[in-house]
Amino acid sequence: GQSLEQPSEVTAVEGAIVQINCTYQTSGFYGLSWYQQHDGGAPTFLSYNGLDGLEETGRFSSFLSRSDSYGYLLLQELQMKDSASYFCAVRDQDNYGQNFVFGPGTRLSVLP
Amino acid sequence: DGGITQSPKYLFRKEGQNVTLSCEQNLNHDAMYWYRQDPGQGLRLIYYSQIVNDFQKGDIAEGYSVSREKKESFPLTVTSAQKNPTAFYLCASREAQGARTDTQYFGPGTRLTVL
Repeated sequence: GQSLEQPSEVTAVEGAIVQINCTYQTSGFYGLSWYQQHDGGAPTFLSYNGLDGLEETGRFSSFLSRSDSYGYLLLQELQMKDSASYFCAVRDQDNYGQNFVFGPGTRLSVLP
Repeated sequence: DGGITQSPKYLFRKEGQNVTLSCEQNLNHDAMYWYRQDPGQGLRLIYYSQIVNDFQKGDIAEGYSVSREKKESFPLTVTSAQKNPTAFYLCASREAQGARTDTQYFGPGTRLTVL
């Protein structure tokens, strides 16, 4: 089966840097994505890694190591509005490569 | 503006009733998905469709049904066979054909409560 693991909660202060880790076990692998979800809202796409290495998009960066089945999301210069849940997601080979599996989510609290 | 719409935002159902959740997209995306999210949990895939008139079961399809008669529309029916339907339902779409990423675009969701 497929499974993803993330820390359940992370707390940091404004202006700090925080890293949210994600480890996965899947049958085949196409890529790792990250989504942000505010309470009561819909997930919004943040970043994608199809190959090993670092992808940078503004204050957010994401890293993937396929050999370690591991990735992380790095949030820099934290702002209060970054308080939300963050999900990693993988697309694996099940269902003709259309099976998306989401992690349980990490709740980030940014303190003033 | 392009995007995905879901309706209604809130839905209340009595036990034993079927209900249909609407999902429409004008992004010209090929693939569409339905997810269920329970409080404090991640998303679980119910059904997906890559092209019109074709759809496949996800991990938790029992008690749900879908149709894909038009590229823009992917309605989800929650049947009375679904034992615990109270949840937040999210529809998403993805470019799929020729896409370089796995980016999914989500609708605002429908919160279903069974009374």
